[in-house]
Amino acid sequence: DTAVSQTPKYLVTQMGNDKSIKCEQNLGHDTMYWYKQDSKKFLKIMFSYNNKELIINETVPNRFSPKSPDKAHLNLHINSLELGDSAVYFCASSQEDRNYEQYFGPGTRLTVT
Amino acid sequence: GENVEQHPSTLSVQEGDSAVIKCTYSDSASNYFPWYKQELGKRPQLIIDIRSNVGEKKDQRIAVTLNKTAKHFSLHITETQPEDSAVYFCAASLGGTSYGKLTFGQGTILTVHP
Repeated sequence: DTAVSQTPKYLVTQMGNDKSIKCEQNLGHDTMYWYKQDSKKFLKIMFSYNNKELIINETVPNRFSPKSPDKAHLNLHINSLELGDSAVYFCASSQEDRNYEQYFGPGTRLTVT
Repeated sequence: GENVEQHPSTLSVQEGDSAVIKCTYSDSASNYFPWYKQELGKRPQLIIDIRSNVGEKKDQRIAVTLNKTAKHFSLHITETQPEDSAVYFCAASLGGTSYGKLTFGQGTILTVHP
């Protein structure tokens, strides 16, 4: 009964490839997020969706495209992968009426070679 | 936009000692300040949070204080144990006006020596 889940856990791919990461939450939350954690452990928000609508889009290359088919799912597609995309990507979710306390998924470690 | 500074970047203590991690934020409209603990290879987990209408909050060995005037908040861990060793992140949020967007500090690596 994992609250926020992500697949895959590990992703190793070559430069130039396209890959997707999937996220699902069963908490009934209406807001979901993608964060990137770099090699220095710095956590930075990339995107946020509220009820399937994109509401936060930080300065992220347009090679990154989030998609929310429904409010329980938020996927991240990355085109033309670059070495600098190597990082751990975390999905998170929150609920407005619980003051947006955020719960994180287990993370996806992306390695681009 | 919001900027959060966290200090120290590393902290080493003996078991049983106290540990204090400090953060400052730039946007006076921020109203929600969570702390996350991240063990090696694991997800960040919320350990305590404080809202701008409260000055202090305590949960067993963990406490957080907030000084809105000075725009800083701190995490206090008493009677530290080896299992407290992890990376700790502070964060700040504008709450509903930003749909809960969190701006994180740089993290503090806490090591508790037995």
